[in-house]
Amino acid sequence: DIQMTQSPSSLSASVGDRVTITCRASQTISNYLNWYQQKPGRAPKLLIYAASSLQSGVPSRFSGSGSGTDFILTISSLQPEDFATYYCQESFIMPFTFGGGTKVEIK
Amino acid sequence: QLHLQESGPRLVKPSETLSLTCTVSGGSISRSSHFWGWIRQSPGKGLEWIGSISYSGNTNYNPSLKSRVTLSVDTSKNQFSLNLKSLTAADTAVYYCARRILYNTDSVHTNWFDPWGQGTLVTVSS
Repeated sequence: DIQMTQSPSSLSASVGDRVTITCRASQTISNYLNWYQQKPGRAPKLLIYAASSLQSGVPSRFSGSGSGTDFILTISSLQPEDFATYYCQESFIMPFTFGGGTKVEIK
Repeated sequence: QLHLQESGPRLVKPSETLSLTCTVSGGSISRSSHFWGWIRQSPGKGLEWIGSISYSGNTNYNPSLKSRVTLSVDTSKNQFSLNLKSLTAADTAVYYCARRILYNTDSVHTNWFDPWGQGTLVTVSS
């Protein structure tokens, strides 16, 4: 199985901050990488697919980049509704695996 | 807008079988570019993909669960189901159903999960 490692596991930030979350795959996965946002008590919601494609309806302050083994999710200007946990997921090979999550908290 | 809703028991005894159903509304389950799957989330193991099924019954399972999992689909009801047998406390989790979208072009073959159901907490306990 491909191991997906996210860093940091948690971070504190203020509204308006630029936030970056890193995801590393244990082997190359091209751009087969998706990002999800999960709020407490809710299901994960797709933000980014194929490493850099923004899902319809997702604010443009979210962006994704990377290829191969290293990927980044960027929130250009953190908004109050963005405080949540973020997960990466590889879609290169089954079983599809998820990262351990990055919890974004209010500073 | 597509909506998925899980249904089934919230409490199951050890060694028994869990049966969950996902009802799809707002669209047909019979699309060749879609698979329908199950993902669970527990504090100990995070998010774990269980398996997926197409409308025609083609299945993919996580090898770690394959011996205990069966997925099925009922296109007449726009539903798909999960059976997980020989339960232990380690199977306690929130179970989500989700659509897996397949995107294929000449140069790109990828997939992602969207949307997800709201999830149902299943507790395995006597």
